[in-house]
Amino acid sequence: EVQLVESGGGLVQPGGSLRLSCSASRFTFSSYAMHWVRQAPGKGLEYVSAISSDGGSTYYADSVKGRFTISRDNSKNTLYLQMSSLRAGDTAVYYCVKDQKYVDTAMVTRYYFDYWGQGTLVTVSS
Amino acid sequence: EIVMTQSPATLSVSPGERATLSCRASQSVNSNLAWYQQKPGQAPRLLIYGASTRATGIPARFSGSGSGTEFTLTISSLQSEDFAVYYCQQYNNWPPYTFGQGTKLEIK
Repeated sequence: EVQLVESGGGLVQPGGSLRLSCSASRFTFSSYAMHWVRQAPGKGLEYVSAISSDGGSTYYADSVKGRFTISRDNSKNTLYLQMSSLRAGDTAVYYCVKDQKYVDTAMVTRYYFDYWGQGTLVTVSS
Repeated sequence: EIVMTQSPATLSVSPGERATLSCRASQSVNSNLAWYQQKPGQAPRLLIYGASTRATGIPARFSGSGSGTEFTLTISSLQSEDFAVYYCQQYNNWPPYTFGQGTKLEIK
């Protein structure tokens, strides 16, 4: 079965930086777009960032734009999230997510999230 | 951005009974809706995509219905392992993908 293993979380001071990694296995990593979704303690799910399969296209939520950078190394089957200028509001569990495409009844290609990593906790506090 | 609204926030149901969870989109998402289950300390798990298609390995007691703006997740006979938080998510108009705020299904 697909495996996604995040690492790199921890305690960081406000204004600091952190790089998260997600090691992927048991699927052809270079064929899939990948995503980061976060969940603040006791809260719901927030979509953070995405990267296309070849790394050529990226997306960022407004809440992290200009501070976070998503990237991938297909030779290492690894997804990254470089986080800088961290704020208390960035405190959350960060999940690495794989998507899966299918063609809907209107013959349009769609993408849903089929596998999630176990998450890594980022705590921003002084 | 499409806003997803789930109701109720908390649902109390007895084991063996039926649970019905609702999700509403602020504009049509066609059938491009997924449901996820999340247990404490765990990552979300895909249950349903395409509004009504069960993901691999998901028991038949889970069913999804709806299209456009109104969706329902039904669990026909609740088992102890089904008590969790459930999220809906639209993937019709993205970015961004958007999630509902969740429904907590608790034991009555």
